[in-house]
Amino acid sequence: AAGVIQSPRHLIKEKRETATLKCYPIPRHDTVYWYQQGPGQDPQFLISFYEKMQSDKGSIPDRFSAQQFSDYHSELNMSSLELGDSALYFCASSLSPGMIQETQYFGPGTRLLVL
Amino acid sequence: AQKVTQAQTEISVVEKEDVTLDCVYETRDTTYYLFWYKQPPSGELVFLIRRNSFDEQNEISGRYSWNFQKSTSSFNFTITASQVVDSAVYFCALSEEGDYKLSFGAGTTVTVRA
Repeated sequence: AAGVIQSPRHLIKEKRETATLKCYPIPRHDTVYWYQQGPGQDPQFLISFYEKMQSDKGSIPDRFSAQQFSDYHSELNMSSLELGDSALYFCASSLSPGMIQETQYFGPGTRLLVL
Repeated sequence: AQKVTQAQTEISVVEKEDVTLDCVYETRDTTYYLFWYKQPPSGELVFLIRRNSFDEQNEISGRYSWNFQKSTSSFNFTITASQVVDSAVYFCALSEEGDYKLSFGAGTTVTVRA
């Protein structure tokens, strides 16, 4: 079965540079979530989109922005990168939230290293 | 405040032993959803099981089983006859009604030795 696709899988950037992470959800999934996982930490929710609109926002820095496009893929834009942004960034997708919560399926993650 | 507590940081067992992972959650909602995810050394997060708060039936799926006890706010997960490939970090997660993000516990690292 098709899974969530994330690109790139690995990314190395210098401080103060920008980075763009991409996420392609499972076919027919229209809801996308972004999480950040620091070394040895649990994943922390950043932001989510449903039908191209922001549906929820977590502890996402102002330097980060995201959007969901008409084909439901999503991009996380990160500017003025800091050393502390080095982490594993996950995208997850699910079916539309309805009467009950849908299961989130995660992509393989993008490992970002800021030097 | 942490909504999901996984008190066990690390568990080490010998192959074929059973492993039970503890998870205690905190919520004021009457409707909520609980999940277990597995993160092997390769790094991906793999969905294992879910339980809706309004369904207390405990189930078994292959070598996995879970024990959901609303009275004690616990959602424990058991791997029967563990295998080396079960070595991973296991996360318990909570999603509350109308709040679709997942709140994860700190994770339990399981090491299965041959």
